[in-house]
Amino acid sequence: KAGVTQTPRYLIKTRGQQVTLSCSPISGHRSVSWYQQTPGQGLQFLFEYFSETQRNKGNFPGRFSGRQFSNSRSEMNVSTLELGDSALYLCASSPPGQTISGANVLTFGAGSRLTVL
Amino acid sequence: AQKVTQAQTEISVVEKEDVTLDCVYETRDTTYYLFWYKQPPSGELVFLIRRNSFDEQNEISGRYSWNFQKSTSSFNFTITASQVVDSAVYFCALSVPGGSNYKLTFGKGTLLTVNP
Repeated sequence: KAGVTQTPRYLIKTRGQQVTLSCSPISGHRSVSWYQQTPGQGLQFLFEYFSETQRNKGNFPGRFSGRQFSNSRSEMNVSTLELGDSALYLCASSPPGQTISGANVLTFGAGSRLTVL
Repeated sequence: AQKVTQAQTEISVVEKEDVTLDCVYETRDTTYYLFWYKQPPSGELVFLIRRNSFDEQNEISGRYSWNFQKSTSSFNFTITASQVVDSAVYFCALSVPGGSNYKLTFGKGTLLTVNP
C-alpha cells in the first residue's frame, strides 16, 4: 500500500515568489492535514481538509492557502515568500470513519523542504 | 489551549543503554489523546503509540514502553537496550476532540543519538 507522497521533496525559491506543494494521501484516506516544521517553532498545524472542505486552520497568515481535490489529493500554496517560510512542510492523511473524535492516527509523508533565499 | 513540553532537547547514549524521553502535557479537556511519533533523518513522522485519557495502563511493545500518569500530566517513553537505529527525533503530541479532529499539538521534540 503506497504511503503519503509529497512533491517536490526539495525546492529553492527567492523572496517574493510563490510556491505550490502537492500531497497525495494514502488510497482511501479522505482527510489531509498540513504541518510546518522549523527549528525554532517546531511542528505547527497549518490546515486540514476533508472532502474538499477546509475544516480547520492554524494561526498562519493568509499567504498560506490550500485546497483539496475530489480524489483527495491536496495542494498548499504560499504566496509572497519570506525568508521565515523556509521549512519542512509535512502532509499527513487519516482514514475515514471518525469513530472517536481526535483519536485518528495520522500517516505522514516525507515532506517538502522549502528554502527561501 | 493545549501545550506539550519535551524538556530534553537532545540525549546521547551508548548502544544498549536504556533511555527515557519525557513528555508533559497541558489541557483542560478531560478527554484527550496522546501520541508519540518518531522522525528519522528521512523526514517522515512514524507513528509509535496512541493513548486516550481514560486508559492509564502502561504499555510495552518490544523494547519500547510508555508510562502514562494523569496525576503528573506526563506520558514518558522508554527505550530499553537502545540501538543505533533508534537514533531519531521523537515527538510527543496531544489531540483533543472538537474543531478539527486531526489537529495535533506537538512538543518541540527530543533528538536521540545512540552511539555504537
